[in-house]
Amino acid sequence: DADVTQTPRNRITKTGKRIMLECSQTKGHDRMYWYRQDPGLGLRLIYYSFDVKDINKGEISDGYSVSRQAQAKFSLSLESAIPNQTALYFCATSDDRVSYEQYFGPGTRLTVT
Amino acid sequence: KQEVTQIPAALSVPEGENLVLNCSFTDSAIYNLQWFRQDPGKGLTSLLLIQSSQREQTSGRLNASLDKSSGRSTLYIAASQPGDSATYLCAVKGVRTNAGKSTFGDGTTLTVKP
Repeated sequence: DADVTQTPRNRITKTGKRIMLECSQTKGHDRMYWYRQDPGLGLRLIYYSFDVKDINKGEISDGYSVSRQAQAKFSLSLESAIPNQTALYFCATSDDRVSYEQYFGPGTRLTVT
Repeated sequence: KQEVTQIPAALSVPEGENLVLNCSFTDSAIYNLQWFRQDPGKGLTSLLLIQSSQREQTSGRLNASLDKSSGRSTLYIAASQPGDSATYLCAVKGVRTNAGKSTFGDGTTLTVKP
């Protein structure tokens, strides 16, 4: 089984709808991240969490919110989706005790029409 | 602000050729540098991780080097194969700038022609 899983893998939604993307990990890492990837803009950090009680905004947090329900779960919500939030979204974890190596989920392709 | 640059943006080589991908960064205060591979529309797969105290790491046909003082890393791929075709990204985890978070380059898209 994959160490970092994301659901759904693909989602098409309409402008104004609220949606949630979910991430689960079995690596036992405290640190979790949400990124979005757009052609020509690379990977940009939306939110990150260094433990269950520590949540921080990344460089592009406007229009997004997150919830860290447990060490293993980190959800990203779009309160009112807009077309320019169409992108590939990745969840990642990192080991914060030894190497800080990052591990990525398979991604969620989100289309807002 | 940490900036990470990867040159070239795209590279096309014939099968069997050895090649080098480049990654440069502006702030040398880093924890580590990580190289990833990404196939179109897929997630990122970690290839190599170099800690700030290390100079290089090797895995199979891949060798990554790190020169913190000059803010540069290279990924060397030996005897390239068509299956190596993908986008390669480097990510730098900072100590000072963006502490604890990674800054990604835009990637180099590699095509290996049979």
